[in-house]
Amino acid sequence: AQKITQTQPGMFVQEKEAVTLDCTYDTSDQSYGLFWYKQPSSGEMIFLIYQGSYDEQNATEGRYSLNFQKARKSANLVISASQLGDSAMYFCAMRGMDSSYKLIFGSGTRLLVRP
Amino acid sequence: SAVISQKPSRDICQRGTSLTIQCQVDSQVTMMFWYRQQPGQSLTLIATANQGSEATYESGFVIDKFPISRPNLTFSTLTVSNMSPEDSSIYLCSVAGQSYGYTFGSGTRLTVV
Repeated sequence: AQKITQTQPGMFVQEKEAVTLDCTYDTSDQSYGLFWYKQPSSGEMIFLIYQGSYDEQNATEGRYSLNFQKARKSANLVISASQLGDSAMYFCAMRGMDSSYKLIFGSGTRLLVRP
Repeated sequence: SAVISQKPSRDICQRGTSLTIQCQVDSQVTMMFWYRQQPGQSLTLIATANQGSEATYESGFVIDKFPISRPNLTFSTLTVSNMSPEDSSIYLCSVAGQSYGYTFGSGTRLTVV
């Protein structure tokens, strides 16, 4: 069975500073994918970044980067230069590379950016 | 990436009634997924809907309570049956994207009174 753990229910960060949101996972699959999503108060799910288990380089997308440590089974999201608009819920998710393609989510971290 | 139109965006329903949620995708997709997000919680997968076959339900979810229709490769419906206040949640549909990201509908905020 697959499991995603996010241990930080809430985080604060000062505007323009960097913040790391933690995510650990557990799976018996050799091949899998890791995702981060942002959910603002409007409720929409916004895809941020993806990391494949065989990718050697950490994924980056603009101000978002994923600190992937395979041996430790962690996939932390780093947001650089935080903006007020980054205040939202952040979910880590995983998909095993079996035929089901289903995405399993962690419990989420609520990030609040302070001006 | 695919664009999903989800309807209704919100509804308030009486207990004991049923609500059908629709998702229309602008391209053909093999699998569609239905999630429930209870207040203040994460997303929980209800079922995977494949065209031409019965939906695959996750543990804790049954077809009698959450019947799913998938008549073609661009459309699916989820019905929440015999509703109780505990069914008050956001319901979202999703499809797998070509560039690894999954696209989600805008969600249906359901309140059962």
